[in-house]
Amino acid sequence: QVQLVQSGAEVKKPGASVKVSCRVSGTTFTSYEMHWVRQAPGQRLEWMGWINAGNGNTGSSQKFRGRVTFTRDTSASTAYMELSSLRSEDTAVYFCARRGLGHMYFFDYWGQGTLVTVSS
Amino acid sequence: DIQMTQSPSSLSAFVGDRVTITCRASQSISTYLNWYQQKPGKAPKLLIYAASSLQIGVPSRFRGSGSGTDFTLTINSLQPEDSATYYCQQSYSALPLTFGGGTKVEIK
Repeated sequence: QVQLVQSGAEVKKPGASVKVSCRVSGTTFTSYEMHWVRQAPGQRLEWMGWINAGNGNTGSSQKFRGRVTFTRDTSASTAYMELSSLRSEDTAVYFCARRGLGHMYFFDYWGQGTLVTVSS
Repeated sequence: DIQMTQSPSSLSAFVGDRVTITCRASQSISTYLNWYQQKPGKAPKLLIYAASSLQIGVPSRFRGSGSGTDFTLTINSLQPEDSATYYCQQSYSALPLTFGGGTKVEIK
């Protein structure tokens, strides 16, 4: 079965960077886009961006452009999201999600989430 | 950005009731609308994609409808395990993809 397993919780100081991993199993990693969505406490889901796991192309929300980097390691079937210049407002649970095939943008499998806490 | 507005923000209903959640887009999005269910401490789960297509494995009591700017998620015969927060998501404009504010469904 398809599984997305994310790295563990992180505590970071303001100004630091965090890198979250998402290991994919049970599916052909390079056939899909991997997206990242975050959820601050009590807030709605917020889409951050994506990486094409096959060719490495990326895209991101304007809100995070310049601060977020998406990479992948095809040999490890793992996608990564790195967010820099962290501030308290970045405290959130970060999810990776697989985009389903086809022209529709929906997310059919999700990681369990990684809590990132930004605090001095 | 396309704004997604859900109503109500919360509701309470009895087991067996029919529940309706509304999602409105700030511009026409055709049928590029998905619905997710999220339980506390868990990742969202895809219920409906393309406004009305039921994701594999999702119970048939969940039904999506609508097009343009107005969409509805209906839960027929509400079950205890349906207690969760439901989010709509538009995929008409991929930059950025946006979600509604959520509707929390509680069982009386």
